[in-house]
Amino acid sequence: KAGVTQTPRYLIKTRGQQVTLSCSPISGHRSVSWYQQTPGQGLQFLFEYFSETQRNKGNFPGRFSGRQFSNSRSEMNVSTLELGDSALYLCASSPFKAGSYEQYFGPGTRLTVT
Amino acid sequence: GENVEQHPSTLSVQEGDSAVIKCTYSDSASNYFPWYKQELGKRPQLIIDIRSNVGEKKDQRIAVTLNKTAKHFSLHITETQPEDSAVYFCAASRIDDKIIFGKGTRLHILP
Repeated sequence: KAGVTQTPRYLIKTRGQQVTLSCSPISGHRSVSWYQQTPGQGLQFLFEYFSETQRNKGNFPGRFSGRQFSNSRSEMNVSTLELGDSALYLCASSPFKAGSYEQYFGPGTRLTVT
Repeated sequence: GENVEQHPSTLSVQEGDSAVIKCTYSDSASNYFPWYKQELGKRPQLIIDIRSNVGEKKDQRIAVTLNKTAKHFSLHITETQPEDSAVYFCAASRIDDKIIFGKGTRLHILP
């Protein structure tokens, strides 16, 4: 099976702009979660989608939003970018079935806001 | 809200010695505790996990212990090797709920 893929891998944006990141989960995985990784804060949970519905949400402002499509692919959008949004954004997919809770991470999208 | 504290933030051990990383969690309803390893420039990967109905789990050189009363769990790596050098993240969650990660421990294995 192909692993989790994310596009683009690198992105440079200017403050005030918006950005959309994409994540394709492992085939058959219905749950997709998004994380923000920064050197000082580790992995911070943004949100999780399952069957096109947001199932869980972290403590990020409303500028961060996401969605999931019927094929389980997910997108994350950040509007009105701030310098502090510079980070590695990781998505992870999970089978979401009893006994299997492992998160399979993608390679991440490195976002730089200038 | 839910919180996971992880210590130490950096750990250096001689090759062949043991390494221990400790985490505490705040949500007493948490019942799933995974550990992820992230090598430099790579994605995090699950190395071991434990459910709240088990006090200890071992897989070759790595083991995890859980103390539900004290709300803490630990990762033990024995006979450390150079390839164990990485950042390790602990996490806690209720099954099917969001996973809260610790801030990570950078483990250096010294030759």
